[in-house]
Amino acid sequence: GIQVEQSPPDLILQEGANSTLRCNFSDSVNNLQWFHQNPWGQLINLFYIPSGTKQNGRLSATTVATERYSLLYISSSQTTDSGVYFCAVDEYSGYALNFGKGTSLLVTP
Amino acid sequence: GAGVSQTPSNKVTEKGKYVELRCDPISGHTALYWYRQSLGQGPEFLIYFQGTGAADDSGLPNDRFFAVRPEGSVSTLKIQRTERGDSAVYLCASSQAGGAYEQYFGPGTRLTVT
Repeated sequence: GIQVEQSPPDLILQEGANSTLRCNFSDSVNNLQWFHQNPWGQLINLFYIPSGTKQNGRLSATTVATERYSLLYISSSQTTDSGVYFCAVDEYSGYALNFGKGTSLLVTP
Repeated sequence: GAGVSQTPSNKVTEKGKYVELRCDPISGHTALYWYRQSLGQGPEFLIYFQGTGAADDSGLPNDRFFAVRPEGSVSTLKIQRTERGDSAVYLCASSQAGGAYEQYFGPGTRLTVT
């Protein structure tokens, strides 16, 4: 099956800093989503982005499908950004999401 | 509108018992998915429904696990003869249709088998 690798695995930032999270995947994809899992375990949809660039407030994402990677940018980070960020993809002929191991982000005051 | 809901939020059961976990998808979504998340890992796919039928159950770990969606809306995940290794958070997701559509997740059911 398709492999999804996320980096870095852990990240500690001071409030106000910017960061870039990376997701590499091993095959063509139909669907790519970024999620934020909050401390209560809820998966919050950030972006549905199989290709191209999107922005939503302080967050933006870019997927370069031909090179099989996606980037999530967090600017002016806040303590409420803490949690685990997951990238998930489904294979071109599939529908089930395959998740990476996530990036655990801690933003300190 | 309402999101995906799951009940119960927590379930503690003894080894060997039978449990049922319920998922109520977003209204109008024809595709429904079950995933399982162990501590420190990303969610792993269990089963996918398109309408009433299980289109792909390749992620179910063994025949103790079964899921139904009789009317194409609410789904129930059933686990027989529970084992301690079944302890995890069980997540349900739904999407407008199968394939290249955004999936939305419920809050999960935390299952603990003692």
